Formats: sequence, C-alpha cells, structure tokens
Amino acid sequence: QQQVKQSPQSLIVQKGGISIINCAYENTAFDYFPWYQQFPGKGPALLIAIRPDVSEKKEGRFTISFNKSAKQFSLHIMDSQPGDSATYFCAASKYGGATNKLIFGTGTLLAVQP
Amino acid sequence: DAMVIQNPRYQVTQFGKPVTLSCSQTLNHNVMYWYQQKSSQAPKLLFHYYDKDFNNEADTPDNFQSRRPNTSFCFLDIRSPGLGDAAMYLCATSRAQDRIITRKQFFGPGTRLTVL
Repeated sequence: QQQVKQSPQSLIVQKGGISIINCAYENTAFDYFPWYQQFPGKGPALLIAIRPDVSEKKEGRFTISFNKSAKQFSLHIMDSQPGDSATYFCAASKYGGATNKLIFGTGTLLAVQP
Repeated sequence: DAMVIQNPRYQVTQFGKPVTLSCSQTLNHNVMYWYQQKSSQAPKLLFHYYDKDFNNEADTPDNFQSRRPNTSFCFLDIRSPGLGDAAMYLCATSRAQDRIITRKQFFGPGTRLTVL
C-alpha cells in the first residue's frame, strides 16, 4: 500500500524526442506527487509536483499527467536534451501535518543521445 | 545562497567502527530528514525531526541514531556500521508552514559511506 511503482528502469531517447516515465500507486490517501531529478553524485532536486485535484501540470518542457481513477501519474519531457540525462524519481506523500514524508519510486535512468 | 550542506562528502569507516555524518542548513527550515540511498535504489527515509521532535521510521535499524542540537544542524550516528550500511546518506529540509504543494524538500549533496 505504501509502494510507488516506477517504470521503465532505464530509458534512451534521441535529442529532441519525448521522454515518458510512468508511476503507479496504491494508497488513495496520497495527495502530493512530486518528481525529482538526480545527477550523479548530487542530491535529488525537485522538478515539478502535482496535487490529485488537477489532471495535468506543465512547467517549461516538463509535464505531469495525473489519472486519479487509475492511480497513475507520468512525467513527460518534451524536446529532450543531453543535459536532461539523469535519474528521475517519482514520489508520493500524504498530508501528515507539518512534515512531508516522501515515498520514492525506484527511479528511471534517462540517457538522451545527441 | 541558502543551502543544505553535508560533511564529509565521502566517508570511509571500518566494520563496527562508529561514524557520524553531519548536515547543516542555512534555510532556517524546521523539518530535517535523513534518507539512505543504496546504489541504484530509491532514497529511503530513516527518520526526521520537526523542530526537536524526533520521528523514527518503523523499519529503521537501532544501529542508526540522530541528534539535532539546534535548528541548523543535524547528525546521523551509525553505532556499529556493517557492510550493508554502505550507501549514500542524504539530508533534506522543509518548512512546516508551507502549504503542501509548495512544501519542497531541499536535499543536500549527500555523504557516500564506504564500510571496509
């Protein structure tokens, strides 16, 4: 119930293509779904986040699509660039008062080929 | 720039020899988290502090302890490191007053722990 399943494990995309990473969850109490980007040797950095009351959120080339009934959400990276090559983690959290305990997916290693 | 700083970046210790990892933040956030991230795995929450209130995850081994002497600093103590404790340890902070959609967690660069 507490797991967040992420796929694919790795992804190779050509420069200019669309990268799509999918996540699924079980716990309907989750109400916050962020995506984190992590470069080698660095800590994760928040990329974009969504609440379940909207179906899509776009920030620049990054879009989250959210399907509440299917309990799935996905990250789309438009016009993928070599600089986007990193590991991407989806995560989920349920409101717990003052804190924001994140349950992370298993990660997707994205390689954008020039 | 406001940030989360972790020291050291790389730590080598011997099997069973206690080790302490350090995290400091200039964000003045009241919540601090410690995560363990093993190679090619997702970060896993060990515990967190809300101000001085300590919250341990149910599956965090007793071998892991934490201290938060003030708002800015938080320490992770591993009393008797085993080979299975080799990992990247990530510190993160957030501000409890933020609405959940903006309640970002700011991560430090991590400390990579090697156990010989």
